[in-house]
Amino acid sequence: EPEVTQTPSHQVTQMGQEVILRCVPISNHLYFYWYRQILGQKVEFLVSFYNNEISEKSEIFDDQFSVERPDGSNFTLKIRSTKLEDSAMYFCASSERTGGGTQYFGPGTRLLVL
Amino acid sequence: RKEVEQDPGPFNVPEGATVAFNCTYSNSASQSFFWYRQDCRKEPKLLMSVYSSGNEDGRFTAQLNRASQYISLLIRDSKLSDSATYLCVVNRGVGSWGKLQFGAGTQVVVTP
Repeated sequence: EPEVTQTPSHQVTQMGQEVILRCVPISNHLYFYWYRQILGQKVEFLVSFYNNEISEKSEIFDDQFSVERPDGSNFTLKIRSTKLEDSAMYFCASSERTGGGTQYFGPGTRLLVL
Repeated sequence: RKEVEQDPGPFNVPEGATVAFNCTYSNSASQSFFWYRQDCRKEPKLLMSVYSSGNEDGRFTAQLNRASQYISLLIRDSKLSDSATYLCVVNRGVGSWGKLQFGAGTQVVVTP
């Protein structure tokens, strides 16, 4: 069964450093998403991406965040200068269509900012 | 008011019993509804979509009440493997396609 994959599974970084989280969405999917979940809190939407541009972003997704689809398979989330409060689990998701289309989640990257 | 509200639980359920819980959503224009399950520190996994007519998938039954803006999930004949956090998820639809709004989850613990 096709699945979303993410790397790395864990990332530890120093405050102020840049991190890039990588995702490989399901191959025939066209819509891509990033969510995050701070420990003990709910899953929160960050950004959606379609046709090489951002479709929607939340207030969390400020200028420190960017997304890119550098090639035909990868989808990345970059945090330019990490803060302590960026420590969270970051989930990538993809869907075949938008709207009510089912989103399938990757296993996540656990980011710890020290 | 939170967009999606759930009773956090935990619901402690003996194996074989039935458990049911609800979630409410605030935006009456919401279009799509889902139940996901999340095991500890893992990704959300789709359990089922929720349709207006109600739908069933094996031991799981979901209902949507648009007038009262709530969604329910019922689990029959609970198994130990049903222990998880159940996430109520809503998609607003028009103007916000693709953005899923998650509830904080309802924890279910099935005991032998």
